[in-house]
Parts: sequence; C-alpha cells; structure tokens
Amino acid sequence: AQSVSQHNHHVILSEAASLELGCNYSYGGTVNLFWYVQYPGQHLQLLLKYFSGDPLVKGIKGFEAEFIKSKFSFNLRKPSVQWSDTAEYFCAVSLFTGGGNKLTFGTGTQLKVEL
Amino acid sequence: DTEVTQTPKHLVMGMTNKKSLKCEQHMGHRAMYWYKQKAKKPPELMFVYSYEKLSINESVPSRFSPECPNSSLLNLHLHALQPEDSALYLCASSQDRVAGGQLTGELFFGEGSRLTVL
Repeated sequence: AQSVSQHNHHVILSEAASLELGCNYSYGGTVNLFWYVQYPGQHLQLLLKYFSGDPLVKGIKGFEAEFIKSKFSFNLRKPSVQWSDTAEYFCAVSLFTGGGNKLTFGTGTQLKVEL
Repeated sequence: DTEVTQTPKHLVMGMTNKKSLKCEQHMGHRAMYWYKQKAKKPPELMFVYSYEKLSINESVPSRFSPECPNSSLLNLHLHALQPEDSALYLCASSQDRVAGGQLTGELFFGEGSRLTVL
C-alpha cells in the first residue's frame, strides 16, 4: 500500500517569505500526485497535480511543485507567501487498483502566514 | 464554488438514531467517494463507487452503509453510531481517464457534512 509523508507539520512564515513544503511517497509504480489546500472552514481545493510530462508543474495562486522520481518527492513551493495563504496543505498520491482510484493523503502541514 | 453538493452541512444524532448523508454531482463523473476527516487529521478513504458499483470498502464498520442510487447521487446511511464517529464526512467525485498512457483522475470534493454523535 502506498503511504505519503509530509515532514513539516506546522510552518510559520512572514509575508513575502518563500515557502517549500516537503512531500515523499512510498510506491514504486506509476502514481498521480496532488497538492490540496483546505482554508479554515472551507472545502478541500486542488492546488496542482502531476500526471506525467514536465516534472515542474504550476498551479493556482502562484504555487508550483517539482516531481523528483528518484527521490519519490513532490515538494510544494511558492516564492512569496501572502497572509491569505494561511491554511492546511495536503500532499496526496493516487494509485489505481483493481477497485478504482485510491487517493491517499499525507498528514498535512498547517501553514500560518503572519503580517 | 464546489460542484459536489453535500447535505446536510451539519448533523447531530444520538447513538440510536438512523440518519443519512447525501451527495450529488452533475459533472458526469463515474466514480464517487466517501472520506472521513477527524479534526487536525487528513481525510481517510471509506468507500469508492465506480459506475454505481461499490468497488472499494476500506474495512469500514457496518454501521456505515453506502448507497449509489444513480451516477449522480451517493448516500451514506448511518445507524447506531458511536461518539468517536463524530467527524467531517467528505464526498468526492472523479472522471478517471487515460492520458499519456496511464490512468489519471483528480478528485473534486464537496464541502462536507459535519457529524456530531451524542
């Protein structure tokens, strides 16, 4: 079974600081990779996704992520965070089994951006 | 706004009650999901329906009973729940397809139904 680990559980940054959140997964086969964001009191929203092709993917709100296959990593980055980026960020890995699409989430990173 | 609609948004029930959570999507997606999310935790997969058939059950207790009446609707019937079942229940849908020679698909989530079991 696949697993997803996020190393940073709580991150506090000042506005305009750069962000990098780590994500590693443990599955040797073909996977789809995602970052979801959950703003306080809101539903899960997709930030970006990687299926194949260019390992550097760009998402919404200035976020990007880089897939490094040799490291089983899919780290999320943003050059300059804003106060409105305060939220919970989940890395997720999708594995297609005989039963369908199993999306497994990492433990999440709570990001707080201070003014 | 999410295109996956869940009702009710909030539900309080006793341990002897029977209630249902409902989910609807009109994106033509053929896979639908139930996830459970406890506070400060990631969502955990409960059930997957593919083409209206239950395809994955993650060893969920029988007091949770899913139902997929048609391709747009997904229900979760609740009976004899325990206080520890209190959580946010998320519905999602996806349209899985082949791209670049591999299966791909992203899940679209609803806002969730927050359940409290007394």
